[in-house]
Order: sequence, then structure tokens, then C-alpha cells
Amino acid sequence: AQSVTQLGSHVSVSEGALVLLRCNYSSSVPPYLFWYVQYPNQGLQLLLKYTTGATLVKGINGFEAEFKKSETSFHLTKPSAHMSDAAEYFCAANGGSEKLVFGKGTKLTVNP
Amino acid sequence: GAGVSQSPRYKVAKRGQDVALRCDPISGHVSLFWYQQALGQGPEFLTYFQNEAQLDKSGLPSDRFFAERPEGSVSTLKIQRTQQEDSAVYLCASRPNPGINEQYFGPGTRLTVT
Repeated sequence: AQSVTQLGSHVSVSEGALVLLRCNYSSSVPPYLFWYVQYPNQGLQLLLKYTTGATLVKGINGFEAEFKKSETSFHLTKPSAHMSDAAEYFCAANGGSEKLVFGKGTKLTVNP
Repeated sequence: GAGVSQSPRYKVAKRGQDVALRCDPISGHVSLFWYQQALGQGPEFLTYFQNEAQLDKSGLPSDRFFAERPEGSVSTLKIQRTQQEDSAVYLCASRPNPGINEQYFGPGTRLTVT
């Protein structure tokens, strides 16, 4: 069965610092991979996705992620955190079925 | 354009009551999904429709949960005889067609069972 693991349920960074949110997946087939962001009392908004092709994917708001098949990872990064980045981030995968399988989420706090 | 909308946004039910949650997908989207998000957890798949056909209901936790999409657009998730463990946010998502993997999510309905 497919699973997604997000290391660190809470990550705290200073404004202007590097953001690194970790995601590992297990899949018997090459998955499609996604990062979603959720602001309080709102639905999920797609940040970026990997389907095929270039393994470094750029998304909205300056975020990017790199698909590393050998490490089964899809970590999310942003060079310089902004206060508005404070939210919960979810990594998700699908491969072999229609549904998305989500990680438990990482809550990002940005300190001034 | 209009996104996925869900109603009500908040619902409080007494244990044992039946509830119905509505999802209006993006117009023309063929695929529709329901997910359940418990507090502090990621969303978990409940069921999937392609047009009016329910192709996967493997995630429905019990026979108290029922979903329908009779005309291939609006969908309703019904929970009978609600229990406290049903308290969660119920998210609806739609997708243009099965060939596109990105799902567009609504704001969710927060259900609290007292």
C-alpha cells in the first residue's frame, strides 16, 4: 500500500531563513507527487506537482521541490521564508489509483 | 472562475442524528472526491466519482456513510446515526478529467458531533 511520511509535524524558522519540509513516499509504482498548503479554515491549495520529466519542480510563492527516486523523497524548499508562508503543508502521492494519499502534515511557523 | 464550494461550512450534530454535506464542484469537472480530515491529520480518501458513477468507495469507514452524485455534478455525503468519531473536516475535491492528476479542493465542512 502506498504511504507518505512527513518528518516533523512542526517546523519553525526565522523570517528570511531557508524553509525545508521533508517528504518521503513508498510506492510500488512511480508516483505522481504533490505539495499542498492549507491556511486556517481554508481548503487545500496546490503549491506544485511532479508527474514526469524534470525532477526539480518550481511552484507558486517561490517554493520548489526535487523528486529523488533513489531516496524516495520529494522535499519542499524555499530559500527565504516570509511571514505569509506560515501555514500547514501536506505532501501527497498517487500512483496506480485515482485517490491522493496524504502525509500527516507539517505546520510551518515563521518567526519575525 | 468559481472554485469548489461546500455547504454548510460548519455543522454541529447531536450523536445519533443524520447529516448531509453538499459539494458543488467546478463546472464541467468529471471527477469528484471526498476526503475526511481528522484534527491534526492529513486528509484521508473516502470515495470517488466519475460523472455519476461511484467508482471507488473503499475509504468509507462504515455503512453509515453514503455518497451520491446523481446527475454527475453536485454531490452529497450523508452520514447516518452520527458518532463522536465522525467529527472531522470533510473535504470535497474535483478534477477536470481522469487524465489530469491535480485535484481542486473546496474549503471543507467542519462536522462536530456532540
